Amino acid sequence: AQSVTQPDIHITVSEGASLELRCNYSYGATPYLFWYVQSPGQGLQLLLKYFSGDTLVQGIKGFEAEFKRSQSSFNLRKPSVHWSDAAEYFCAVGRGTGGGNKLTFGTGTQLKVEL
Amino acid sequence: DADVTQTPRNRITKTGKRIMLECSQTKGHDRMYWYRQDPGLGLRLIYYSFDVKDINKGEISDGYSVSRQAQAKFSLSLESAIPNQTALYFCATSDHTWTGAEEQYFGPGTRLTVT
Repeated sequence: AQSVTQPDIHITVSEGASLELRCNYSYGATPYLFWYVQSPGQGLQLLLKYFSGDTLVQGIKGFEAEFKRSQSSFNLRKPSVHWSDAAEYFCAVGRGTGGGNKLTFGTGTQLKVEL
Repeated sequence: DADVTQTPRNRITKTGKRIMLECSQTKGHDRMYWYRQDPGLGLRLIYYSFDVKDINKGEISDGYSVSRQAQAKFSLSLESAIPNQTALYFCATSDHTWTGAEEQYFGPGTRLTVT
């Protein structure tokens, strides 16, 4: 069965500092990987996705993530965090079986930004 | 206007009551999903539907039922609500691809409290 681990429940960074959120997955084949962000009281918004090809993917709001097959990781990065980035971030893996994409989510990382 | 809408946005109900959560989408997607979010557990799939005549159980379907009234509408019912069904519920949609490389679009969520 597929699974996703986000080892950091809470992270606090200063505005302007760099950010890396960790995500490790378990999946028997090449996974489809996603990062979503949830702002307070909001639904989930897709930041970026990896399906195939270049292992460094760019997303919205200045985020990027790198797929590392050898480490089963898909860490999210941002070089300079803004106060508006405070939110909860979810990594997800999808089963690309041709029968649809049922996502398995990690438990989330809550990001706090100090001004 | 939002592409995926959920009604109600907030609901408080009593144990044993029947309740229906509704989801509508204007994206024209075939596939719809219901998730629940609990603190520290991330999102878990309740039911999913790949088209109007196709309904499938997710990982936590016990105590829930669904109805796909049309391509654009997917409802989640709790036949007899219990307190541990208190959670944030999300509807999502995706467009069909044979590879399963699909992005899911989420509604704003329904916060349900069962007393």
